[in-house]
Amino acid sequence: QVTLKESGPALMSPTQTLTLTCTFAGFSLSGPTMRVGWIRQPPGKALEWVARIDGDDEKFYNTSLKTRLTISKDTSRNQVALTMTDVDPGDTAFYYCVRIKGVCGSITCTYYFDHWGLGTLVTVSS
Amino acid sequence: YELTQPPSMSVAPGQTARMTCEGNNIRRTGVHWYQQKPGQAPVLVVYDDSDRPSGIPERISGSKSGNTATLTISRVEVGDEADYFCQVWDSISDHPALGAGTRVTVL
Repeated sequence: QVTLKESGPALMSPTQTLTLTCTFAGFSLSGPTMRVGWIRQPPGKALEWVARIDGDDEKFYNTSLKTRLTISKDTSRNQVALTMTDVDPGDTAFYYCVRIKGVCGSITCTYYFDHWGLGTLVTVSS
Repeated sequence: YELTQPPSMSVAPGQTARMTCEGNNIRRTGVHWYQQKPGQAPVLVVYDDSDRPSGIPERISGSKSGNTATLTISRVEVGDEADYFCQVWDSISDHPALGAGTRVTVL
């Protein structure tokens, strides 16, 4: 059974560095076809893709957030960490950890989020 | 990709809800749909245009024609009241694109 669980601080002050951890079970993040990502959602608003890491340690970031983000993995502990520097109130959101699965046709592959964590709410306020 | 979804719709119990997701060139890639009930995390309900994960009822189906994908919920129930998001994967940037969602209200 695939499960993902987010953990991290609920309340942050502006300019601080946020670290979130995703602890997962039911699969191993190893090899180039395995992917785990982060998606966030400000309360009452739309989903926004944040970052992803592949099993071969390739990393990808939302272009608008890239300068503030670092994603990493600890395969032995089945964990993915997301660090965001210099947070501000605009970063207030539910942060979801997702497993990313792909299906390939003859030419290209498409990917989707087949399992989600419950999410963790991070509030940035002075 | 930029994905366009109507922001809201209303449907009576027992009727059929159809919501669209439009985007340039989405005919060339798979479209995926998520259901998010109030206070809960999203759940995948349709992937690759029309496939359903295990546990998703047959009342929920997906289709695509040209650059418009459609999520259909037949015999709507009160429990179907939720936000529904579409998503595609941009193979050039290797990033996902997400729609802003459609809020379905069951009257």
